[in-house]
Amino acid sequence: QITLKESGPSLVRPTQTLTLACSFSGFSLTTSGVGVGWIRQPPGKALEWLALLYWNNDQRYSPGLKTRLTIAKDNSRNQVVLTMTNVDPVDTATYYCVHKAAVGAAMFDSWGQGILVTVSS
Amino acid sequence: QSVLTQPPSASMTPGQRVTISCSGSSSNIGRNSVVWYQHLPGTAPKLLMYANNQRPSGVPDRFSGSKSATSASLAISGLQSDDEADYYCAAWDDSLKAVVFGGGTKLTVL
Repeated sequence: QITLKESGPSLVRPTQTLTLACSFSGFSLTTSGVGVGWIRQPPGKALEWLALLYWNNDQRYSPGLKTRLTIAKDNSRNQVVLTMTNVDPVDTATYYCVHKAAVGAAMFDSWGQGILVTVSS
Repeated sequence: QSVLTQPPSASMTPGQRVTISCSGSSSNIGRNSVVWYQHLPGTAPKLLMYANNQRPSGVPDRFSGSKSATSASLAISGLQSDDEADYYCAAWDDSLKAVVFGGGTKLTVL
């Protein structure tokens, strides 16, 4: 059974760096085709894909946020970390960690419960 | 502004059939398979359909998907009150090298 759980701060000040961690179990990030990604949903708005880390350490980012995002694997733990620099109140959202299936580029078959992050001074 | 275009809302009475559209372009739906997610209030989104028309285990066959050229559709027959949710389409975009989502369709069961 695949599980993912997000952790990180619930409140971040504008211009700071947001760091979110995704702890996962039930699969290996070394399996060909598999990935771990991040998707967010601002209050009252649509889902927005942010980043994806593939089994071979290839990284993909949302073009509009690419300069602010970094996704990386913590090799000592089953964890994927997303950092977002220079946050703004518009970055207030529920952030979801997702498992990308081995097949299907946009197929996220397991989701974490989500973590609400508020950006405010 | 979402790359994939969905109607913001849809509604139908219980027992009826509703269809939700998703319009894209040659760089996304035109070249890649479409995925659909169901997002119930207060829960994490759930994979509802993949590879255009394949249902994951546990998804009732009341849900069906289709794709033609640069558009896709999700159909729900025998509508139930539990189907009231937001529905999102998604696909990989070869030009953007990114996953793109639709703006979501809020389904109301009258």
